[in-house]
Amino acid sequence: AQSVTQLGSHVSVSEGALVLLRCNYSSSVPPYLFWYVQYPNQGLQLLLKYTTGATLVKGINGFEAEFKKSETSFHLTKPSAHMSDAAEYFCALIKAAGNKLTFGGGTRVLVKP
Amino acid sequence: DAGVTQSPTHLIKTRGQQVTLRCSPKSGHDTVSWYQQALGQGPQFIFQYYEEEERQRGNFPDRFSGHQFPNYSSELNVNALLLGDSALYLCASSYAGQGYNEQFFGPGTRLTVL
Repeated sequence: AQSVTQLGSHVSVSEGALVLLRCNYSSSVPPYLFWYVQYPNQGLQLLLKYTTGATLVKGINGFEAEFKKSETSFHLTKPSAHMSDAAEYFCALIKAAGNKLTFGGGTRVLVKP
Repeated sequence: DAGVTQSPTHLIKTRGQQVTLRCSPKSGHDTVSWYQQALGQGPQFIFQYYEEEERQRGNFPDRFSGHQFPNYSSELNVNALLLGDSALYLCASSYAGQGYNEQFFGPGTRLTVL
C-alpha cells in the first residue's frame, strides 16, 4: 500500500522568506507525485506534478519541487513567500496505471507581514 | 471551459437521512473520482467511475454509492447519514487515455449532518 507523509501540519513564514514544505512517500511501484493547494472554502488546485523525466519540476505561482527517489521525497519550495501563498498544501501520489490519489495530511501555511 | 462543477455547494441533513451530490466533469474528461475531506485532514478516496462502472473503491461502507451517466456526469449517494459523514466532498475528473491520470477538482460540496 502507498502512503504520503507531510512533516509539519502548520508552517509560519515571513513575507519574502523561503517556503519549504516537506513530503515523503512510500510506494511499492514508481509513483506520480503531485502538489495541490487549497484556499479556504475552495477545492484543490494543482500546483505541479512529477511524472517522468526531469526531477526538478516547476509549477505555478513560483513553486517548484524536486523528486528524490533515494530519499523518497518530493519537497515543495518557493524562494520568496507572498501573502497570497497563505493556504493549505497537499502532497499526493498516484501509482503508475493506478486510479486513486493518496494524499498526505496537509500543511497549512501562514505568511506573516 | 467551465471546469469541474459540483452541486449543491452546501447541504444540511439530519442523521438517518439520505443525500445525493452531483458532479459534472471537465470537458473532454471521461472519468470521475469522489473524495471525502474531513475537517483538518487530507482527502480520502471514495470511488472512481469510468464507462458507467465503478472501477475502484476505497475503504468506505456500502452506504456510499455512486453512478455515472452516459454524458460522464456522476452522482454520489450516501444513505443512513451519520454525524461522521460531515465533510467536504470533492469530485475530480480525468481522462482515462492519459497515463498519469491527472485529476482536476471541483469546488466541493460541504455536507453537514446534524
